[in-house]
Amino acid sequence: EAGVTQSPTHLIKTRGQQATLRCSPISGHTSVYWYQQALGLGLQFLLWYDEGEERNRGNFPPRFSGRQFPNYSSELNVNALELEDSALYLCASSSWGLVEQYFGPGTRLTVT
Amino acid sequence: GNSVTQMEGPVTLSEEAFLTINCTYTATGYPSLFWYVQYPGEGLQLLLKATKADDKGSNKGFEATYRKETTSFHLEKGSVQVSDSAVYFCALRATGNQFYFGTGTSLTVIP
Repeated sequence: EAGVTQSPTHLIKTRGQQATLRCSPISGHTSVYWYQQALGLGLQFLLWYDEGEERNRGNFPPRFSGRQFPNYSSELNVNALELEDSALYLCASSSWGLVEQYFGPGTRLTVT
Repeated sequence: GNSVTQMEGPVTLSEEAFLTINCTYTATGYPSLFWYVQYPGEGLQLLLKATKADDKGSNKGFEATYRKETTSFHLEKGSVQVSDSAVYFCALRATGNQFYFGTGTSLTVIP
């Protein structure tokens, strides 16, 4: 069974640009969670989607947004990039029948 | 509210030493508890879980017991190996399927 996949692996952008990160959950999982992991820091919760709807968002500005598609894959958009947005962005998936969530390998975003 | 507090690192141990990483939580309701491990350059992997009080999760020689009376879920391993070097995260899943993570504890095992 394929795990959670994320693309791209690495992304380099300049300040002020927009970044789009993608996540495909494990087959059958309906929930997708996004986290930001800045260097040396823990996981900061960004967004949670389930069944196509945003269920909760963390303490991040509105320029962090996303969506979930009918096939349950998800996209995270970061507008007006700032240097401090440089981080590893992790996606995880889960389902109402599971207690745990499974993580993808992450997208490393570098803003210069 | 819900939160997870775990022991600050970094932790450095010699091979075959005993490992304990402390984790305590605050939660409403009856959360499920987890330990995840992150190897350099990778995402998080589920190490073990426990879904109710007194449950013991175990995997790859690691163990943790869900203690409701002390709201704790400490990670232990009797004899660590160099390959256990990684960052360990304690986490909980609260009512409503929201997850909360600790700040992570970096472990380095030296030969």
